[in-house]
Amino acid sequence: EPEVTQTPSHQVTQMGQEVILRCVPISNHLYFYWYRQILGQKVEFLVSFYNNEISEKSEIFDDQFSVERPDGSNFTLKIRSTKLEDSAMYFCASGSLSGTDNEQFFGPGTRLTVL
Amino acid sequence: AQKVTQAQTEISVVEKEDVTLDCVYETRDTTYYLFWYKQPPSGELVFLIRRNSFDEQNEISGRYSWNFQKSTSSFNFTITASQVVDSAVYFCAFDSWGKLQFGAGTQVVVTP
Repeated sequence: EPEVTQTPSHQVTQMGQEVILRCVPISNHLYFYWYRQILGQKVEFLVSFYNNEISEKSEIFDDQFSVERPDGSNFTLKIRSTKLEDSAMYFCASGSLSGTDNEQFFGPGTRLTVL
Repeated sequence: AQKVTQAQTEISVVEKEDVTLDCVYETRDTTYYLFWYKQPPSGELVFLIRRNSFDEQNEISGRYSWNFQKSTSSFNFTITASQVVDSAVYFCAFDSWGKLQFGAGTQVVVTP
């Protein structure tokens, strides 16, 4: 069964460094998402992406964040200058349809630790 | 604005007991989807069920059952005859045009 994959599973970085989290969505999916979960808290929406542009983003998704689909398979989340509070689990998801009929398939997550 | 509330932060039960997790949502949309996800200690999000707003039929899948009541804006989840492997955080979520909004989650602890 096709699945969303994410690399790395765990990333440790120093404050102020740039990180790129990678996701490979399911191959025929057109809608892509990033979510964040700070330890012990709920999962929060960051950004949705369709047709090579951002469809919607949350207040969390400030100028330090960017997303890209550099080729036909990868979907990346870049944090330009990490802060301690960026430490969280980051989940990528992909879906095939738009609007409310969109079932999102989640990857296993990347745990980001900022020291 | 949409909102999902899971008022129970933690529920502890002994194996074989039933456990019901509450989920209440707020929306003005007429078309929407509701979800339940399980997050075991390993951290991944495991999809359990998706329900659209026009289908109020209750659903049973093995030891899991769901009760969707549009009149009270609730989508409750029951685990029957709980097992230790059911120990996890369970999230209710609302699909607002492709943007999932999650509740705060309910930690279920099942002890032998």
